[in-house]
Amino acid sequence: DAGITQSPRHKVTETGTPVTLRCHQTENHRYMYWYRQDPGHGLRLIHYSYGVKDTDKGEVSDGYSVSRSKTEDFLLTLESATSSQTSVYFCAISLAGGHGDTQYFGPGTRLTVL
Amino acid sequence: KQEVTQIPAALSVPEGENLVLNCSFTDSAIYNLQWFRQDPGKGLTSLLLIQSSQREQTSGRLNASLDKSSGRSTLYIAASQPGDSATYLCAVRKTSYDKVIFGPGTSLSVIP
Repeated sequence: DAGITQSPRHKVTETGTPVTLRCHQTENHRYMYWYRQDPGHGLRLIHYSYGVKDTDKGEVSDGYSVSRSKTEDFLLTLESATSSQTSVYFCAISLAGGHGDTQYFGPGTRLTVL
Repeated sequence: KQEVTQIPAALSVPEGENLVLNCSFTDSAIYNLQWFRQDPGKGLTSLLLIQSSQREQTSGRLNASLDKSSGRSTLYIAASQPGDSATYLCAVRKTSYDKVIFGPGTSLSVIP
């Protein structure tokens, strides 16, 4: 499992509240990713990071921000959650360091925004 | 813009059958293609990675082929077992620096 954990695993929140999801890895991999998975849309990239303080947007980044102050932690923040952000969120890492390598996924966080 | 499709969306087979899952992509200029498995309520598990220069990869009962010119990949599962029941996703990358584009997945049920 490449030592990836996500917290919380489940969260229910209300519209308009801020939410932060955490991805933690234990093996100092440089590249980390946040995806969301929705029925009918599959997996879509939200943001990714290629090093401490180095992040970039994916295809569905609106309404999300990320931070990476340490190699091992990649945080995803919903500043003001909306019902359209109800989804399952997955963190991933590239095992050998680059985009071109196999990606390994965390167990996911199920977020419900009421 | 690269688009990835997978047909069928769902498949049900009796145990012991050999089966083929299909993945199509619109832009044949890819760096690699990866097959994943996802069990209900779980994350994705990498099964096979095929580089653009390769035609196929094998792991146990799984064999993945790649035909870049036609924009297709297939995942062949031999002698299917109930434990193979899961959703199978394919994903492509345009270059080593690009992000992965996922297909919607095929939900497989192997009936004992």
